[in-house]
Amino acid sequence: EAGVAQSPRYKIIEKRQSVAFWCNPISGHATLYWYQQILGQGPKLLIQFQNNGVVDDSQLPKDRFSAERLKGVDSTLKIQPAKLEDSAVYLCASSLLARKYEQYFGPGTRLTVT
Amino acid sequence: DAKTTQPNSMESNEEEPVHLPCNHSTISGTDYIHWYRQLPSQGPEYVIHGLTSNVNNRMASLAIAEDRKSSTLILHRATLRDAAVYYCILRDWGSGNTGKLIFGQGTTLQVKP
Repeated sequence: EAGVAQSPRYKIIEKRQSVAFWCNPISGHATLYWYQQILGQGPKLLIQFQNNGVVDDSQLPKDRFSAERLKGVDSTLKIQPAKLEDSAVYLCASSLLARKYEQYFGPGTRLTVT
Repeated sequence: DAKTTQPNSMESNEEEPVHLPCNHSTISGTDYIHWYRQLPSQGPEYVIHGLTSNVNNRMASLAIAEDRKSSTLILHRATLRDAAVYYCILRDWGSGNTGKLIFGQGTTLQVKP
């Protein structure tokens, strides 16, 4: 079974530029999550999708971050404009359904904002 | 959201058992205890979960205190590949809850050869 795929694996941008991350979840997984992991900390949930609808985006900085999951499969997370404090690893995870099922994480995208 | 407390770091020798403790004194009746681990430069991976009874799987065992205010993840024979950050997470399975994972700092396990 193929795992969660993410691209790119690494990205370096200057502050005020924009960047986008892509995630392809495990086939058949209805729930998709985006997490932000700052160095030395545990991952923090940014947004959770159930199929193509948003379930929880309470921790998403909506003035600069946006995410979509068209057709309930792939998802993109965008930052525009980026700030220095956005430097982190962005992790995508998926699960069969929410609540009771384990989450499978991708390898993450390491973003450096200079 | 319910909180967990874990030691920042632990050391173990290879091929010896490891007991990773977790305190969760404010656990509620619908909280399941989940453990995930994160190997260097990888995303977290699921290890085990339980509600009240002790649980075993191919990766580890989970021992849950009778009052559920603490639990212990047991790796029966640590290998160098078990060196990782281990997260103890309370996940609310109550209806209406999204079941999101709230990660703390975790315990960094170092395994010495």
